[in-house]
Amino acid sequence: KNQVEQSPQSLIILEGKNCTLQCNYTVSPFSNLRWYKQDTGRGPVSLTIMTFSENTKSNGRYTATLDADTKQSSLHITASQLSDSASYICVVANSGGGADGLTFGKGTHLIIQP
Amino acid sequence: DVKVTQSSRYLVKRTGEKVFLECVQDMDHENMFWYRQDPGLGLRLIYFSYDVKMKEKGDIPEGYSVSREKKERFSLILESASTNQTSMYLCASSLIGRGFGNTEAFFGQGTRLTVV
Repeated sequence: KNQVEQSPQSLIILEGKNCTLQCNYTVSPFSNLRWYKQDTGRGPVSLTIMTFSENTKSNGRYTATLDADTKQSSLHITASQLSDSASYICVVANSGGGADGLTFGKGTHLIIQP
Repeated sequence: DVKVTQSSRYLVKRTGEKVFLECVQDMDHENMFWYRQDPGLGLRLIYFSYDVKMKEKGDIPEGYSVSREKKERFSLILESASTNQTSMYLCASSLIGRGFGNTEAFFGQGTRLTVV
């Protein structure tokens, strides 16, 4: 069964600090992995999309890594800001099976404190 | 600026009512999706559509139907709303259907539906 596990479930850090969110998956065959940011009460917004051949991808202060061998991804946030407070969702796409080919993680709820 | 627009941010409906959630996209995408999002469960696919008048069931279609009469509009219908359909509903669109391909997918702002 395809699964995406995210950790931690929730995280509180001080403004200006760095943090790393984890995503482990068992989706096969792998197509791509996405990280979304979802502000409270809003829809998810894409941060990065990585395919099998990509190890790292950056979007401003957000850097995602992918290790396709161990089936792990991380999202690193540098110099956090209050606006980074949100849920971060890892989504893995497979190239076959499933109604839409996507498996969603349950998200990490990140709170940035001043 | 590309957009997926959902007709309502918040809705309160009574049990047994027929409820329509509307979603419109302006990107000429073939594929549109309806998800519901519940705490501790993540996003779950209800239905998706890969062309006008075409639809496919997702993981949790029971109690829902959809309509896609025009390319830009995808409607989710709750035939007889029940309290267990209280949830956040998210519409999405993309160029590619299954797995979104490697292309961008865009979500609407969500509709928080409460059934009382």
